[in-house]
Amino acid sequence: ILNVEQSPQSLHVQEGDSTNFTCSFPSSNFYALHWYRWETAKSPEALFVMTLNGDEKKKGRISATLNTKEGYSYLYIKGSQPEDSATYLCAFQAGYTNAGKSTFGDGTTLTVKP
Amino acid sequence: ETGVTQSPTHLIKTRGQQVTLRCSSQSGHNTVSWYQQALGQGPQFIFQYYREEENGRGNFPPRFSGLQFPNYSSELNVNALELDDSALYLCASSFGGNQPQHFGDGTRLSIL
Repeated sequence: ILNVEQSPQSLHVQEGDSTNFTCSFPSSNFYALHWYRWETAKSPEALFVMTLNGDEKKKGRISATLNTKEGYSYLYIKGSQPEDSATYLCAFQAGYTNAGKSTFGDGTTLTVKP
Repeated sequence: ETGVTQSPTHLIKTRGQQVTLRCSSQSGHNTVSWYQQALGQGPQFIFQYYREEENGRGNFPPRFSGLQFPNYSSELNVNALELDDSALYLCASSFGGNQPQHFGDGTRLSIL
């Protein structure tokens, strides 16, 4: 059983604050790490697919880094806005699988107060 | 480009009954995965279908079964429903490999 952990479980920040959260995953048999954003009453939406150690990806105010040797990824949000409020999921894809068989963490739920 | 659609949106059943959930994959996607998401937890992988064949299964009993059709749409069937089966069921489609998945909005199943 693969263990994928996300921390913190929830986070409340003020509009304009920058924030970050962590996804920890097995350091062996790594193939890819996926980040998804899941807004209430919507479907999870893919943010990043990260495959190489040291990868950094950016999408607007959101960025992510990857360390496959130690088994963690950070997601950063710069200048949080209320529309960033969502649950952020990471999913670990092992080398013998495809993305559809990824193991998900329990998510970090971000609430941004105006 | 049509996204992933799931039906029904909500469903209420009683213990022992059977249920069928449906998913239409995004146009061109040949791989469909099903997940169960309990409150406060991340999605748990149930199984995946690729070109009408089951292509991997998570830690779920045989009473969870599925189908994929030639147009790549899919069904999830659950027999002998138990209270613990109450959850959000998500379907996701992709091209496979490490391509990100596209999710539907889910079916909320409640067992009384």
